[in-house]
Amino acid sequence: KQEVTQIPAALSVPEGENLVLNCSFTDSAIYNLQWFRQDPGKGLTSLLLIQSSQREQTSGRLNASLDKSSGRSTLYIAASQPGDSATYLCAVRPEGNYGGSQGNLIFGKGTKLSVKP
Amino acid sequence: NAGVTQTPKFRVLKTGQSMTLLCAQDMNHEYMYWYRQDPGMGLRLIHYSVGEGTTAKGEVPDGYNVSRLKKQNFLLGLESAAPSQTSVYFCASSYSPPWGVYNEQFFGPGTRLTVL
Repeated sequence: KQEVTQIPAALSVPEGENLVLNCSFTDSAIYNLQWFRQDPGKGLTSLLLIQSSQREQTSGRLNASLDKSSGRSTLYIAASQPGDSATYLCAVRPEGNYGGSQGNLIFGKGTKLSVKP
Repeated sequence: NAGVTQTPKFRVLKTGQSMTLLCAQDMNHEYMYWYRQDPGMGLRLIHYSVGEGTTAKGEVPDGYNVSRLKKQNFLLGLESAAPSQTSVYFCASSYSPPWGVYNEQFFGPGTRLTVL
């Protein structure tokens, strides 16, 4: 069974610090991995999607890496800002018909980030 | 572009009542999804659709029905609401199919449902 774990569950850092969020998954048979941001009371915003054949993706101050064989992904945030405060979710797309459904995106429980001014 | 929108934003139901949640997208996406988010559980897929007139079960489909009569709309129905269905419901859509390598999903703002 595919399980996605995010550590730590919560993180508080001072403004300007570089930080890394971790995501691990138990089954390496995935099509892709996606990082999302969720603000309180809001929906999810897609940040980065890494295909299974890729090692990393970058968007602005964000860099996501994927090590499929070891079942790990990291989201690196450079020069953090108070506006980065949110919950960050990672999700994997399992290969094939997972759990009787081809549509499944398996989510972690998220890391709640707080960047203090 | 409004992206993915959901109606209503909040709703309180009594046990046994029925309701329909509406999801609309203006990105001409073929594929649409309904998720529920519960504390400590993460998001879980309820149902999804691979095109107008089609629906398929996700991970937790029991107690819900869906319809996709128009490409831009995906409806989630609760015929007889139960307290266990108290949750935040998210709709999403994608251009690429869910089984594809490049399947990026775009989410709506969510509907917070409480069943008393």
